[in-house]
This record gives sequence, C-alpha cells and structure tokens, in this order.
Amino acid sequence: DIVMTQSPDSLAVSLGERATINCRSSQSILYSSDNKNYLAWYQQKPGQPPKLLIYWASTRKSGVPDRFSGSGSGTDFTLTISTLQAEDVAVYYCQQYYDAPRTFGQGTELEIK
Amino acid sequence: QVQLVESGGGVVQPGRSLRLSCAASGFTFSSYAIHWVRQAPGKGLEWVALISYDGSNEYYADSVKGRFTISRDNSKSTLYLQMNSLRAEDTAVYFCARDSPYMDVWGKGTTVTVSS
Repeated sequence: DIVMTQSPDSLAVSLGERATINCRSSQSILYSSDNKNYLAWYQQKPGQPPKLLIYWASTRKSGVPDRFSGSGSGTDFTLTISTLQAEDVAVYYCQQYYDAPRTFGQGTELEIK
Repeated sequence: QVQLVESGGGVVQPGRSLRLSCAASGFTFSSYAIHWVRQAPGKGLEWVALISYDGSNEYYADSVKGRFTISRDNSKSTLYLQMNSLRAEDTAVYFCARDSPYMDVWGKGTTVTVSS
C-alpha cells in the first residue's frame, strides 16, 4: 500500500500570512504514461464532508480561491495558502489515487495564530 | 445539481449487520466508479471500498475485506455497502464519493455506531 505522510500535524498561521502543508508518498505517484501526479488535496471543516481543492497535484478545482495552490512531483507535494483567511481554518488531507487501496494522509489541522 | 445522499446508518450491536445506501442525482451514475470512505470520531479519513462504473470490479481496504460488500444498482442510481460482523472499530461517519478519479463529489455522510 502507498503510505501518505503529511507534515506538520497542526499549524497555526496569522491572518494574511502564508500556510504551507507538505505531503510525502512512500512511492512515486507520477504515472509515466501521462506524466500526471495522481494526488489530490481536500479541505474538511467541522461537521462537513471533505471538499476537493486540488487534483493532479496542481490543478485547482473550479470555484476554489486562487490563494490555494498545489505543487510537487513524484513523492513530495505541497499545498500552499498564500494569504490565510479566517474561513480557511480546517483540516487538510492529501490523497493518492495512483493505486488501490486509495490512501489519505493523516491530516493537517490549520488554525489562526 | 450533482448530489450524493447517504442513508441507512444507525446504532447496531457488535456482530450484527447493516446496509448503507447512497443515492445519486444530477449526473450519469452509471458512468462513474464510486467510493465509500469513513471517518471515526475525531480521526482522519479512511478509504473503505471502491466499485467500478459497471459493478464488475470491487476493491476493499484490508480492515473490511471479507466483512463488507460494495454493490450498485445503476437502474436506481444507488450504491450500497453491506456491512456484516460489525465491530466497535467500524463506528464512523460513512461517506460516498464520486471517482473522477479524484473524489470530486461527496455526500454529507451517515453515522454508524457499533455498540452493545
């Protein structure tokens, strides 16, 4: 199974500052035949289902604010929130869809400092 | 609009069974694979099972293999999860999610509590 490891587990950032969450996979999730990284990022607020933010490691879902961006390739990935807003307080998960079983990172809890 | 709605959760004793449903609307259900994902209280997301668009292929997490069965009825645009031999550690909110192949549409979830 592909193990997804996020860092840090929790993060406190001031409003308007940058937040960076890292995700590492135990093996490459870059598919050579299409040169795509099979990685997604989700945001989950309390009492709500997860919401897709980013797919193919760096493609923002329509309607997601452009302060959210994804980067990385192979085994190392990053979710960046460029200027933190109060409504961004949530738990963020990375997930690989390269292979079954699909696996999630353990989550990173983002709060306001 | 595109929607998934789970139902069938409840309180059940250890060792008993429960069947969850996920009703889809707003898209061509028979064109998409669908997942079940669960979240234990205060914990992260755990992928449970996946079924292909036509039901011909099923995949399971090791934690549920042999106890849970995923199935679908494309004529009813409905996904199912038959859960047998339930354990306390199966207590969770169960979500269904559309495969695109990332999980782009999620239901609100249904809560399963396994307790005597």
